[in-house]
Amino acid sequence: DIQMTQSPSSVSASVGDRVTITCRASQAISSWLAWYQQKPGKAPQLLIYDVSSLQSGVPSRFSGGGSGTDFTLTISSLQPEDFATYYCQQANNFPFTFGPGTKVDIK
Amino acid sequence: QVQLVQSGAEVKEPGASVKVSCKASGYTFPLYGITWVRQAPGQGLECMGWISAYNGNTKYAQKVQGRVSMTTDTSTSTAYMELRSLRSDDTAVYYCAKVDCTNGVCYGYHGMDVWGQGTTVTVSS
Repeated sequence: DIQMTQSPSSVSASVGDRVTITCRASQAISSWLAWYQQKPGKAPQLLIYDVSSLQSGVPSRFSGGGSGTDFTLTISSLQPEDFATYYCQQANNFPFTFGPGTKVDIK
Repeated sequence: QVQLVQSGAEVKEPGASVKVSCKASGYTFPLYGITWVRQAPGQGLECMGWISAYNGNTKYAQKVQGRVSMTTDTSTSTAYMELRSLRSDDTAVYYCAKVDCTNGVCYGYHGMDVWGQGTTVTVSS
């Protein structure tokens, strides 16, 4: 299975801050990388797919980048509704695997 | 609107089976697949497998292979996930999610774009 790691595991930030989360795959995954946001007690929501494509309805302050094994999710100006846990997920190989998550909380 | 609605919470004893349903609406069910993802309390996300709603092809993760069955009923646009021989470490929230497929193979290349609300399965004696 492809192992996904994320850093940091948690980050404390303020409204308006720029936040970047890194995701690394144990082997190259082409462009089959997605990012999800999950709030407590809720299902995950797709933010980004194909490394950098913004899912319909997702605010443009979210952006994704990277290639090969190293990827990033950036929130350009953190809003109150963005405090949540973020997961990356690869779809290059089955089983689809997720990173362990990055919790973004209020400083 | 496109949505997936799952069945309610279940409490089961070890060794029993559970069957969770996921009813789709707002899109052409046979054109996509359903993947099942579970989340143990306080833990991350684990993909259990997928099923193509086009032809019923399935692929299961090795961790649950032999204990899981995924099926669909295209007449009601409903997907099902049955897990047998339940253990305490199967206690989790189980989610269904819509995924892209081609010719009966679900590659999931474009992410899991619609999720059900989750079904809590508790395994306890």
